[in-house]
Amino acid sequence: DVKVTQSSRYLVKRTGEKVFLECVQDMDHENMFWYRQDPGLGLRLIYFSYDVKMKEKGDIPEGYSVSREKKERFSLILESASTNQTSMYLCASSQGSNEQFFGPGTRLTVL
Amino acid sequence: SQKIEQNSEALNIQEGKTATLTCNYTNYSPAYLQWYRQDPGRGPVFLLLIRENEKEKRKERLKVTFDTTLKQSLFHITASQPADSATYLCAGGDYKLSFGAGTTVTVRA
Repeated sequence: DVKVTQSSRYLVKRTGEKVFLECVQDMDHENMFWYRQDPGLGLRLIYFSYDVKMKEKGDIPEGYSVSREKKERFSLILESASTNQTSMYLCASSQGSNEQFFGPGTRLTVL
Repeated sequence: SQKIEQNSEALNIQEGKTATLTCNYTNYSPAYLQWYRQDPGRGPVFLLLIRENEKEKRKERLKVTFDTTLKQSLFHITASQPADSATYLCAGGDYKLSFGAGTTVTVRA
């Protein structure tokens, strides 16, 4: 069964902390994505990666960075967490233009 | 900027009826439209993909249409069941998708 896993389901951090969210896929997909989902706004793309060490900004990259050192792993980094980054974070992977497979999500609260 | 809009935030229907959800796109012409289902607290799950040169696609009780003239996709759930209650997301693009905000469907027994 294909799988995308995320390091935490729930996370609580303080303002100013550095936060790492990790995502792992076992399908050998070339594309990986990080989204955030907020009520009424839908999924918004933060960053995506189309190959190891390759990345491209999405619609809302400010305040975030990413790392993809291995094909199966894509990390999202909040350099200095702020309260407006409280959200549900979803990781996804895909091969080419095919459907995206999503992880279960990480609900991040920044106090 | 390119935009996907789902006109209804919520849809309540009686079991056995057909639910019809609308997705409109503006400022671009996506090669594909995709539909996903999302249950509370979980990640979206892919349901159907339709290409711009396809008018209609079916999968079991689901049907999707793609009208490039109206810039619209319709998503139908026929013979709806309470288990179909979820949020349905429309997405357009190719390897990179733009998502709508979703329509929450509630099927009453």
